[in-house]
Amino acid sequence: GAGVSQSPSNKVTEKGKDVELRCDPISGHTALYWYRQSLGQGLEFLIYFQGNSAPDKSGLPSDRFSAERTGGSVSTLTIQRTQQEDSAVYLCASSPGTSGSWVQFFGPGTRLTVL
Amino acid sequence: DAKTTQPPSMDCAEGRAANLPCNHSTISGNEYVYWYRQIHSQGPQYIIHGLKNNETNEMASLIITEDRKSSTLILPHATLRDTAVYYCIVRVTYGNKLVFGAGTILRVKS
Repeated sequence: GAGVSQSPSNKVTEKGKDVELRCDPISGHTALYWYRQSLGQGLEFLIYFQGNSAPDKSGLPSDRFSAERTGGSVSTLTIQRTQQEDSAVYLCASSPGTSGSWVQFFGPGTRLTVL
Repeated sequence: DAKTTQPPSMDCAEGRAANLPCNHSTISGNEYVYWYRQIHSQGPQYIIHGLKNNETNEMASLIITEDRKSSTLILPHATLRDTAVYYCIVRVTYGNKLVFGAGTILRVKS
């Protein structure tokens, strides 16, 4: 079946601009996660959504970062007033969650470059 | 979640078994061992996970010691396409985030 999809695959933006990154989880998965991976670095957790519960935002690095999950499906990660240090690959993952296992399945990522 | 320790890199000959070790001496009773890998420029790929019994699937086998303080991921017949960074992660099974360490760079050579 279809896996996690993310768009765009690549995004180049200028410092100070806002960007939106989209994640389409696997159908039926109730849990959704965002991570980022800077060049040569490990994966860093950003935010976690589970059903209708309040999201775990403990990994968001600043208030310029926010995320929404509409209708329990698609999620959008928004970065306002982008900075060069925001350049990274942003990865989304989903899990069946309470409807099944907690194994996370990752999308291909969005590579963000801030000039 | 318990901390894991993995060797930074390993080499393996194509066609041979690749055995990747992981130490997790502070693992608690409700924590599972998960293995993921990341091939260059791709998102992490789930491989296998287990609690205390050995597990096998179409990709790999997971051997967990009786005291659960260490484990080994076995790729039975490594191919060049198995060259990747392999991450051993310990966490409780429900909901929370995965904490990725530095992992082991596995290089499969012909």
